[in-house]
Amino acid sequence: KQEVTQIPAALSVPEGENLVLNCSFTDSAIYNLQWFRQDPGKGLTSLLLIQSSQREQTSGRLNASLDKSSGRSTLYIAASQPGDSATYLCAVRPGSASKIIFGSGTRLSIRP
Amino acid sequence: DTEVTQTPKHLVMGMTNKKSLKCEQHMGHRAMYWYKQKAKKPPELMFVYSYEKLSINESVPSRFSPECPNSSLLNLHLHALQPEDSALYLCASSQDPGGITEAFFGQGTRLTVV
Repeated sequence: KQEVTQIPAALSVPEGENLVLNCSFTDSAIYNLQWFRQDPGKGLTSLLLIQSSQREQTSGRLNASLDKSSGRSTLYIAASQPGDSATYLCAVRPGSASKIIFGSGTRLSIRP
Repeated sequence: DTEVTQTPKHLVMGMTNKKSLKCEQHMGHRAMYWYKQKAKKPPELMFVYSYEKLSINESVPSRFSPECPNSSLLNLHLHALQPEDSALYLCASSQDPGGITEAFFGQGTRLTVV
């Protein structure tokens, strides 16, 4: 059974810092991995999608990497801003079913 | 347009009521999903529809009844819910039910059962 873990559960950093969020999954047989952002009480906003054949994807200040063999992904946020404060969720598509399985999320707070 | 629209945004219902949640997408996606999210927890899968047919039911109680009347619309019918069913209900869609394409989520319906 695929399990997705995110560390740390919460992170607070001062504005301007670069930071890394971690995601690990137990079964490397995945189609893709997707990073989402969720503001309190809101839906999920897709940030980046990495296919299983890709190593990384970039969008603006965000860079996501994928090491499928070791079951790990990282989300790098450059020059963090208070508006980046949110919960960040990673999710994998297992190869065996049409599911999206989420990690528990990292609650990020950027201090002005 | 990458929008998944959910209505209503908020819903308060009694335990004897019948209500429905609605989800709509016009991206031509052929897979649609219902997720339930409790506070400070990740979303949990409830149902998956693939080409308008129910393909996955994650052992959800029968008081939740999904329906996919056409390729753009997904409903979740609610009946005799319990207070512990209060949560954020999220709808999502993706182009390919096989899992290689990006998933898009709606803003959710905040459900309170009293």
